[in-house]
This record gives sequence, structure tokens and C-alpha cells, in this order.
Amino acid sequence: NAGVTQTPKFRILKIGQSMTLQCAQDMNHNYMYWYRQDPGMGLKLIYYSVGAGITDKGEVPNGYNVSRSTTEDFPLRLELAAPSQTSVYFCASRDGRIYGYTFGSGTRLTVV
Amino acid sequence: GDSVTQMEGPVTLSEEAFLTINCTYTATGYPSLFWYVQYPGEGLQLLLKATKADDKGSNKGFEATYRKETTSFHLEKGSVQVSDSAVYFCALSDQRYNKLIFGAGTRLAVHP
Repeated sequence: NAGVTQTPKFRILKIGQSMTLQCAQDMNHNYMYWYRQDPGMGLKLIYYSVGAGITDKGEVPNGYNVSRSTTEDFPLRLELAAPSQTSVYFCASRDGRIYGYTFGSGTRLTVV
Repeated sequence: GDSVTQMEGPVTLSEEAFLTINCTYTATGYPSLFWYVQYPGEGLQLLLKATKADDKGSNKGFEATYRKETTSFHLEKGSVQVSDSAVYFCALSDQRYNKLIFGAGTRLAVHP
């Protein structure tokens, strides 16, 4: 099925560990986004990309890194995990329309 | 910067009751406005949109009108169902950076 696929769905990390959240889309969308969702806080943009090889910071980029080597994939890297990074992470992609967003089902990350 | 403010939840209603979830925004220029819905354990789905002033977005019995004079985009439904229980997010498009800016979300619980 066409859409945005995120892996893993759940993960528990220890403080100081690193991991990569995977995001892949098969719709040939140029725009891709990473959001985090904290309780009662809505979604905050971490990083985004307007095409392969181009990435930029969002509102809350500290502690994260991204890369966009292909149109399909947009992995999010956490280095030195901290409890403040406990959250639900959503990846999204968009076609050329401003309302053409497709969201993945999320990754629930707990840092202990 | 641009921002979205929506009423705090949770909102608890009986089936067939009338629903209003308030949303106001602050933005430069003329953003497009959206309502997204998140069902338990799932990602966000576009519920409806409006791209210019006085536009009315509608879908699945939900409606919202883009009011430029009051900078509002309130969500309404005449008769809610148990299946409408979800978290609803108001959002606007940041036209400069091609990203969505979300409100904090409003949880709706509908009981029989």
C-alpha cells in the first residue's frame, strides 16, 4: 500500500544510547518532515527536507540529525538519547499541494 | 511567528450532541488552514481544509469556515457519533517554509 512507513513502532532506549528512526515513502514526494508529539503540546517540527540532498532545521532540532540521500528515505538520528526525547515521532511526506500531507503511524520512543 | 491556539480538552459529549472546537491563528500573509484527526494508535489524517478567506471546508459531517476578520477556523459537527472519538488538531501552513504549524490538539470523547 502506498504511504509512509515508519520503523520501529516502539523503542526503549537508555540514556546516552543512539538510534535511528526510519521513514520511507513510496509516493515520490519531494517534501518530507519529522515531527515530535508531546502530550498536550501538539506536534513540533524537528527537521524537514524539500528534496534529496536538502535538509533544514525546524523548531526543535537539538539532539537530532537527518539525511536525505534518496527521495524515498528520510531517517532521523538520535545521538546521546536524553529523557527529554521521550515522545511520539511522526514522519510525513507531501506532494506539491500544500494540503497533500501523508503521515506515518508513528514511533513511540521512551528514554530511561 | 505563526501560531495556532485551540481550545483545551478533553471535550466529552453524548452521542448526537452538537460539537464545536474553537481554533484561532496568528499568521503573516494568508495561510491555508486545516483540521487533522488522530484516532487512537494511528497517525494524523486530513479531515478538512480551507485555502482562502470565507472558504468552508467540509468532510464526514464536519465543517469549518475560514474567518479572516476573526482569524478563526472553528470545527463543528451537528451530531457526533461514538466513532468520532479522537484527537483533533487545527493547523496552518507556513507558506515560507512549507511546513504545518499545529495547535495543541483537543481530545474528543463521545459516549453512547
